[in-house]
Amino acid sequence: EIVLTQSPATLSLSPGEGATLSCRASQVISTYLAWYQHKPGQAPRLLIYDAFKRATGVPARFSGSVSGTDFTLTISSLEPEDFAIYYCQHRSNWPPLTFGGGTKVEIK
Amino acid sequence: QVQLQESGPGLVKPSETLSLSCTVSGDFSYDNGFTWGWIRQPPGKGLEWIASLYSRGTTYYSPSLKSRLTISGDTSKNQFSLKVTSVTAADTAVYYCARHDESGYFLEYWGQGILVTVAS
Repeated sequence: EIVLTQSPATLSLSPGEGATLSCRASQVISTYLAWYQHKPGQAPRLLIYDAFKRATGVPARFSGSVSGTDFTLTISSLEPEDFAIYYCQHRSNWPPLTFGGGTKVEIK
Repeated sequence: QVQLQESGPGLVKPSETLSLSCTVSGDFSYDNGFTWGWIRQPPGKGLEWIASLYSRGTTYYSPSLKSRLTISGDTSKNQFSLKVTSVTAADTAVYYCARHDESGYFLEYWGQGILVTVAS
């Protein structure tokens, strides 16, 4: 089973700053990785799929990249609405579908 | 766009069966050749995938929960459902239903979630 390890657990940043979130896979998973944004009381939102493709309606300040088993979500300049928890997710051959433990981006 | 709405009891007693439904509305009906799934989030923890159902019938279950799960669909009601048997306090969570994207690998649309508490 693929294990996804996200770091850091918490990022404390100010609006306007850039954010770099990491997700490391325990094995090579090609580009089968997504990123979600989750705010309390709301449905999770798909941001990035296939490692670097933005989902419909996602602002250009969100970008994804991959190097081997290391995946990165970059937020170029944090807007107030970007403070949330971010999860990475992978699905290879069923089952299972796995999530990382999450990174909380909080206001400094 | 797809709208998903979970429904079910907010409180279930230990050892009983939890039954949840997800109603699909919007531009897509349930039986559209997509895969539909359930994900949960225990209090203070991260997201956990539980089960998924390809609308043509194939089911996929979390290995750790498989023995207690049944996922099914009802095209006449435009719904799909989840049953979890023999629940314990560890099953207390917000349960989300979702529709996978066309590739089946990712979760494109999500419901708002429903909090289910297991307690006597």
